[in-house]
Amino acid sequence: EAGVTQFPSHSVIEKGQTVTLRCDPISGHDNLYWYRRVMGKEIKFLLHFVKESKQDESGMPNNRFLAERTGGTYSTLKVQPAELEDSGVYFCASSQVSRLEWGKTEAFFGQGTRLTVV
Amino acid sequence: RKEVEQDPGPFNVPEGATVAFNCTYSNSASQSFFWYRQDCRKEPKLLMSVYSSGNEDGRFTAQLNRASQYISLLIRDSKLSDSATYLCVVKKSGTYKYIFGTGTRLKVLA
Repeated sequence: EAGVTQFPSHSVIEKGQTVTLRCDPISGHDNLYWYRRVMGKEIKFLLHFVKESKQDESGMPNNRFLAERTGGTYSTLKVQPAELEDSGVYFCASSQVSRLEWGKTEAFFGQGTRLTVV
Repeated sequence: RKEVEQDPGPFNVPEGATVAFNCTYSNSASQSFFWYRQDCRKEPKLLMSVYSSGNEDGRFTAQLNRASQYISLLIRDSKLSDSATYLCVVKKSGTYKYIFGTGTRLKVLA
């Protein structure tokens, strides 16, 4: 079974440009998350989808970030315009929905997109 | 103060050694606890969930102390392949949001 896949694996863009990251979750996983790790810091939550609906976007840093999950399958995260501080590794994760087993809900991570803004 | 605190290490240990990592969390509403392992430039992968009664998986033992709000991971008989960053992760009750620690780096030396 395919895992969580992310594209591209690396992206180098200039400040002010736009970048779109894509995540394909594990088939059948309704939960999809975006996380980010900036240099020297911990991995931080950005937002959470259940199917196509945004359940929690409290971690989105500002309105330059836009996440979508049309049709409840793959998701995109667009950064427009990119700033230097947006550099980092963007991870996507997915998990099954199980209200009865929240405590056991394992999230599977993709390999991440390494974004460098110069 | 960070919600999840870990000693970043690195912990350099010889093969065969026993090593323990601790992690503290600040939010008493935290419900679920995990240890994830992350190899260099790879994605985090679940190592084990941490249950209140403590749990063991081969050479790995995880413990949870809710009163003191800390979680531990014990690795026995360390292997070279155990070298990685170990991430302490907590999840608050009623949410799906994972809160990560910065990770503890382990290097097992031949």
